[in-house]
Amino acid sequence: GEDVEQSLFLSVREGDSSVINCTYTDSSSTYLYWYKQEPGAGLQLLTYIFSNMDMKQDQRLTVLLNKKDKHLSLRIADTQTGDSAIYFCAESPPGAGSYQLTFGKGTKLSVIP
Amino acid sequence: DAMVIQNPRYQVTQFGKPVTLSCSQTLNHNVMYWYQQKSSQAPKLLFHYYDKDFNNEADTPDNFQSRRPNTSFCFLDIRSPGLGDTAMYLCATSRASRGDTQYFGPGTRLTVL
Repeated sequence: GEDVEQSLFLSVREGDSSVINCTYTDSSSTYLYWYKQEPGAGLQLLTYIFSNMDMKQDQRLTVLLNKKDKHLSLRIADTQTGDSAIYFCAESPPGAGSYQLTFGKGTKLSVIP
Repeated sequence: DAMVIQNPRYQVTQFGKPVTLSCSQTLNHNVMYWYQQKSSQAPKLLFHYYDKDFNNEADTPDNFQSRRPNTSFCFLDIRSPGLGDTAMYLCATSRASRGDTQYFGPGTRLTVL
């Protein structure tokens, strides 16, 4: 079956880099996503990576994908207090059947001023 | 400009009193989704529409129904809400096929008293 795992909490100081890690089990996943959820709000798509890529950079965000280890990470450079939120990793398995995204439980990032 | 709009943002209802949540989109996407997210948990897919074709997840309770009268609008009807239905309800859309990015609305926070 599919399962996406993330650590639940991460605390960093303002200005430092944050690295949020995720492992997944379905090696045939086509796309892997990072969503951000601020308190009381919906999910905001941050970035995604296609499974044939190793790395994707978008301004302060860097996504690394290690397909061999089924490991995905999100690095946020120069973390700001506005980055405090819950970050969800999600995979989109290919093939027939469900359109469902499989989400991890989310990592709560706390940024200390 | 908002692309996926949900109304209301907050809803309080009494145990057993039917409630309808609304979602609209300006993206002209084919697929619309409803997710339930309980506190500190990952979003869980309830069902989705591909155009007018309705697809129910196997473990979605019968108490939850949905309507999609046109491309832009989709409704979630909870016929007899229970205390356990207190949650954030998220609407999402995607262009078409599996693997296309899902864009989420801000959510409706439902409280059942």
